Amino acid sequence: GAVVSQHPSRVICKSGTSVKIECRSLDFQATTMFWYRQFPKKSLMLMATSNEGSKATYEQGVEKDKFLINHASLTLSTLTVTSAHPEDSSFYICSARMGQGEESPLHFGNGTRLTVT
Amino acid sequence: SQKIEQNSEALNIQEGKTATLTCNYTNYSPAYLQWYRQDPGRGPVFLLLIRENEKEKRKERLKVTFDTTLKQSLFHITASQPADSATYLCALDEGGYNKLIFGAGTRLAVHP
Repeated sequence: GAVVSQHPSRVICKSGTSVKIECRSLDFQATTMFWYRQFPKKSLMLMATSNEGSKATYEQGVEKDKFLINHASLTLSTLTVTSAHPEDSSFYICSARMGQGEESPLHFGNGTRLTVT
Repeated sequence: SQKIEQNSEALNIQEGKTATLTCNYTNYSPAYLQWYRQDPGRGPVFLLLIRENEKEKRKERLKVTFDTTLKQSLFHITASQPADSATYLCALDEGGYNKLIFGAGTRLAVHP
């Protein structure tokens, strides 16, 4: 089955520092990956669509200079939270489609719990 | 405005009963709808997809219905087990933009 690995699972950082989160598709190639953010008891909020070899497409209200996305290969996308602040503390989850069709289900990583102190 | 609504209150049922979860949407015209399961601290796991021209889809103890007139999908788990306890999310496509929009999910607790 399709496996998406996300690392780290938990990270605590100080305010003002940057944190990088990696998302890898282990057994398939993903031309598109999606980054979500989830608050407690809230829905997954799509932050951006990461496209291999091109710039990410950000959702309205998401600061692209704050959340840097790089999709350098067909199996790796990274999200860097720059100059993190306590309000950036959240659960970040990446996902990817194994199939080509838009209705193909998403395969999710297990998320990264970010705590900014 | 566009909304996807799932019952925010937890659903508590007894083992062996059928659990029914509801997903309502407003101002979307999805070509399909998907259901996912999410356990605490984990990413969602895909369960079922149903297309707009399908009334019902089944997979083992799971059944999903899709009523585009009512703008509603129902998700059923028959012969529920404590291991079915989790949060269940519905998701739909935003009309050709290659992205899934999720509801907030309903937490299901199955008691022995």
